[in-house]
Amino acid sequence: EAAVTQSPRSKVAVTGGKVTLSCHQTNNHDYMYWYRQDTGHGLRLIHYSYVADSTEKGDIPDGYKASRPSQENFSLILELASLSQTAVYFCASSGQNTGQLYFGEGSKLTVL
Amino acid sequence: AQSVTQPDARVTVSEGASLQLRCKYSYSGTPYLFWYVQYPRQGLQLLLKYYSGDPVVQGVNGFEAEFSKSNSSFHLRKASVHWSDSAVYFCVLSALVATGGNNKLTFGQGTVLSVIP
Repeated sequence: EAAVTQSPRSKVAVTGGKVTLSCHQTNNHDYMYWYRQDTGHGLRLIHYSYVADSTEKGDIPDGYKASRPSQENFSLILELASLSQTAVYFCASSGQNTGQLYFGEGSKLTVL
Repeated sequence: AQSVTQPDARVTVSEGASLQLRCKYSYSGTPYLFWYVQYPRQGLQLLLKYYSGDPVVQGVNGFEAEFSKSNSSFHLRKASVHWSDSAVYFCVLSALVATGGNNKLTFGQGTVLSVIP
């Protein structure tokens, strides 16, 4: 069974609307990440967290917020969705100091 | 600063042929290196990883990679590809940051592999 699950897997949102992407992991990992993937590009880090109730900015945090209410759950929040945020979003988890990530299957977001 | 370059955006090979996907990295410290594969409409899966020791590391499904410090490279190889190997392959560099223990990961842009039956 999948150890990192994302929901929704696909979503269409309107410009200016609020979007929440959720991620749940059963790996007992401390670290969780949100990445964005655009066509023809690698993954770029938006936010990450290494402990519950704390989040850190990644490389491209503007326009995004994150929430880590528990070790297992990590959400990505777009308060005012914009066209430029159309992308596939991946959640991942990892243990400390391993560098190896375990990915969810992705959430495809289309903003119209 | 660290970076990863995959110079080939697309590679097409015939089934049964050998394969090499190139990866060059830039990092002043000791890198941890990974190859991940992404099948259509799926998340990324780990193929293999290099931390230290033998520069040739074996992965799943017959893949291997060779680390070269002198060339700053971590090329992925397979002796005989199958049509099911068609996917996007990412080379990833991990630089551990002591403070907070964050794993600073840098992704290459990916190489799309197409295997012709």
